[in-house]
Amino acid sequence: GENVEQHPSTLSVQEGDSAVIKCTYSDSASNYFPWYKQELGKGPQLIIDIRSNVGEKKDQRIAVTLNKTAKHFSLHITETQPEDSAVYFCAASKGTSYDKVIFGPGTSLSVIP
Amino acid sequence: SAVISQKPSRDICQRGTSLTIQCQVDSQVTMMFWYRQQPGQSLTLIATANQGSEATYESGFVIDKFPISRPNLTFSTLTVSNMSPEDSSIYLCSVVAGYNEQFFGPGTRLTVL
Repeated sequence: GENVEQHPSTLSVQEGDSAVIKCTYSDSASNYFPWYKQELGKGPQLIIDIRSNVGEKKDQRIAVTLNKTAKHFSLHITETQPEDSAVYFCAASKGTSYDKVIFGPGTSLSVIP
Repeated sequence: SAVISQKPSRDICQRGTSLTIQCQVDSQVTMMFWYRQQPGQSLTLIATANQGSEATYESGFVIDKFPISRPNLTFSTLTVSNMSPEDSSIYLCSVVAGYNEQFFGPGTRLTVL
């Protein structure tokens, strides 16, 4: 089955700097890659996703890149703010509503004011 | 997107008892999922709940321990039976909506003494 790895497990950046979180997956049939942000005491929130027919997607300060050949994808947050501090999870699935979403272990991001 | 609510938001229970968690969605959805998130860990899928059929459980999870109901397209329940301290976790329901995107509820924080 699918296995998703995520690095780093913890990340501290100064406010205004960029943060990058990298994930790899094992199942070449996976074609949908969502990213979730989980703040303390809350459920995971979908912040951006990418499908295998594109290599990059951007939404304001957040961007995701995908390299299907190498089976890795990354989350980029620019101009980080203290409210970006949270745990971020990458995930992978085959992309239909019936397919399981497999989550990475998570990255705890701290943005230092 | 989908708006998901869960009840209770948190509970403290005695070992050997059972707790039923409710999940309500603001729109009709085909697929509902139940996850467990142990402290400081990632999300692990417990089971997939389809309306009108038996839930499908992941390896390591059994119906006797985690019975699930799915009486209609907007509601599901997960029961944690015969609880032990090892069951202390956050339990999350999620649904697929929109363009096959998965959304999560706020979670139920369970502590078993």
